[in-house]
Amino acid sequence: DQQVKQNSPSLSVQEGRISILNCDYTNSMFDYFLWYKKYPAEGPTFLISISSIKDKNEDGRFTVFLNKSAKHLSLHIVPSQPGDSAVYFCAARSLDTGTASKLTFGTGTRLQVTL
Amino acid sequence: EPEVTQTPSHQVTQMGQEVILRCVPISNHLYFYWYRQILGQKVEFLVSFYNNEISEKSEIFDDQFSVERPDGSNFTLKIRSTKLEDSAMYFCASSIGQASNEKLFFGSGTQLSVL
Repeated sequence: DQQVKQNSPSLSVQEGRISILNCDYTNSMFDYFLWYKKYPAEGPTFLISISSIKDKNEDGRFTVFLNKSAKHLSLHIVPSQPGDSAVYFCAARSLDTGTASKLTFGTGTRLQVTL
Repeated sequence: EPEVTQTPSHQVTQMGQEVILRCVPISNHLYFYWYRQILGQKVEFLVSFYNNEISEKSEIFDDQFSVERPDGSNFTLKIRSTKLEDSAMYFCASSIGQASNEKLFFGSGTQLSVL
């Protein structure tokens, strides 16, 4: 049961250009969404989040957009840098747990930023 | 920056053996979690722990699994009798609080291989 889907397993972007990573979800009880970045041999690192009451959250080069009606969110990285090359996981939290307990993750998108 | 530390980084065991995976959460965090990622699959929630008891667990977390906070700093995951399908990367995480907008901090994981 894939409640959080990242349909692109990989993405290659040139340095300086915009990277757009997409995520779709099916559970309408999700009320909080997070993006994590993961380098090889490391754990996921929190990147940015958005509450379901917002449609945009920006932090430096990273912006997350949420379209609740489409159950879709996206992460924009601009400008992309070689150090951004990593696996990006979309994660969501459900209203019915109401706590920080349980994140539901997508399968990840591997971003490669080329010179 | 404070971090979640996990030991060992790799653990190889024979099927049927018991393993204990160890974690030291961030010192002022009160909520602790275990997640796992089977190779090629998504990161999956196993269990959350607060105030010396399990607050939530997934269906993966059956009677073969247990968690413990034996002292003020360590948080352990025990698998009583390992199966081949327990082979995965196990991530420990912690958070300060339980509010739904809390972010989780992950350790770098223990790669468990069951032979």
